[in-house]
Amino acid sequence: GAVVSQHPSWVICKSGTSVKIECRSLDFQATTMFWYRQFPKQSLMLMATSNEGSKATYEQGVEKDKFLINHASLTLSTLTVTSAHPEDSSFYICSARSGTSDYEQYFGPGTRLTVT
Amino acid sequence: GQNIDQPTEMTATEGAIVQINCTYQTSGFNGLFWYQQHAGEAPTFLSYNVLDGLEEKGRFSSFLSRSKGYSYLLLKELQMKDSASYLCAVADSNYQLIWGAGTKLIIKP
Repeated sequence: GAVVSQHPSWVICKSGTSVKIECRSLDFQATTMFWYRQFPKQSLMLMATSNEGSKATYEQGVEKDKFLINHASLTLSTLTVTSAHPEDSSFYICSARSGTSDYEQYFGPGTRLTVT
Repeated sequence: GQNIDQPTEMTATEGAIVQINCTYQTSGFNGLFWYQQHAGEAPTFLSYNVLDGLEEKGRFSSFLSRSKGYSYLLLKELQMKDSASYLCAVADSNYQLIWGAGTKLIIKP
């Protein structure tokens, strides 16, 4: 149980375009979802926390107008990278926490974004 | 400020035992996690400690001392597939995870 999927697994896009990444909890309801970014050889960096039906809370330094997060249902959150630039190229990982657990996060497999 | 420290890289021999240390300073404490992350993949959960002491789970054990702000992950009977990064993370007062930079473990035959 507790499976989280992400789509797409990898994407290459041109500079200036927008990319949407989906995160789904397949067998549980995720009251909270987290979006992380990880650059090569670095640790996870939390970008934002989203609760179903409410606006996401962004970490300091993360542009909310550039990284649009929508947590429309208890099983789906989306991250849209708008007007992507090469420096946005990274590994984006989502995780989800169910309402029954205060602490454990279940991670999606990640999405590798390359902006050319 | 909040801080998680762990060694950047460690090397060990197949079949041996290795201990990966983690020290932390956070605002509030609701438990410490260890995750394993293979290159290009998302982290996978290994252990969770919220009380002092040792938690054993197969070849992996995790220890916590809250008074010292210290934890370690102990891996026994190392296998080549254990080569990965090991991430220490602490849940703060809001249950938000504060992540260490990870320890890259290299296993040699």
